[in-house]
Amino acid sequence: GNSVTQMEGPVTLSEEAFLTINCTYTATGYPSLFWYVQYPGEGLQLLLKATKADDKGSNKGFEATYRKETTSFHLEKGSVQVSDSAVYFCAPLSGNTPLVFGKGTRLSVIA
Amino acid sequence: KAGVTQTPRYLIKTRGQQVTLSCSPISGHRSVSWYQQTPGQGLQFLFEYFSETQRNKGNFPGRFSGRQFSNSRSEMNVSTLELGDSALYLCASSSNPGIQTNTEAFFGQGTRLTVV
Repeated sequence: GNSVTQMEGPVTLSEEAFLTINCTYTATGYPSLFWYVQYPGEGLQLLLKATKADDKGSNKGFEATYRKETTSFHLEKGSVQVSDSAVYFCAPLSGNTPLVFGKGTRLSVIA
Repeated sequence: KAGVTQTPRYLIKTRGQQVTLSCSPISGHRSVSWYQQTPGQGLQFLFEYFSETQRNKGNFPGRFSGRQFSNSRSEMNVSTLELGDSALYLCASSSNPGIQTNTEAFFGQGTRLTVV
């Protein structure tokens, strides 16, 4: 089945700092790749996705590029805000396999 | 369009009891997946149902079971509760991820189960 290795937090940054959260995956076939975010007290919601190699997903200032050769999908943001404090999950999805997640990376942004 | 609805939001049960959690997916979605979220293990896949059939199953003991009804609503049941079953249980619905692998999953807010 599919699996994800994600850097474990917590990650604590000052407002306007640069963010990188690393994610590598193993998957059957040719997966789509997702980043989901979980705000306090909420379920997960889709942040961005990419469906083929070299695609860049982006949303709310976050970006991630599908790197097939390194099986990676690292999340980046140039300038984080306090409102970005949340838990971030990377996930591949392929064929009839279920959507599986890494352990999540908790991000805390301080003003 | 209503989102994914999970009931109840909070639940306290005693060790040895059983519990049933409910999930109503987004209208038109036929796939429902269940996840267990704990601080130590993160987000672990329990099972997925599609059109009333279990399509995938995670690595959980047989005490964890589920089903899906003809209207796509799903329930999961945990029997003989243990303290370690305390967790946030999340349900996600999607249209058909098995065929369209770029399909987004929509999550409910979860049911927080505490076993005492």
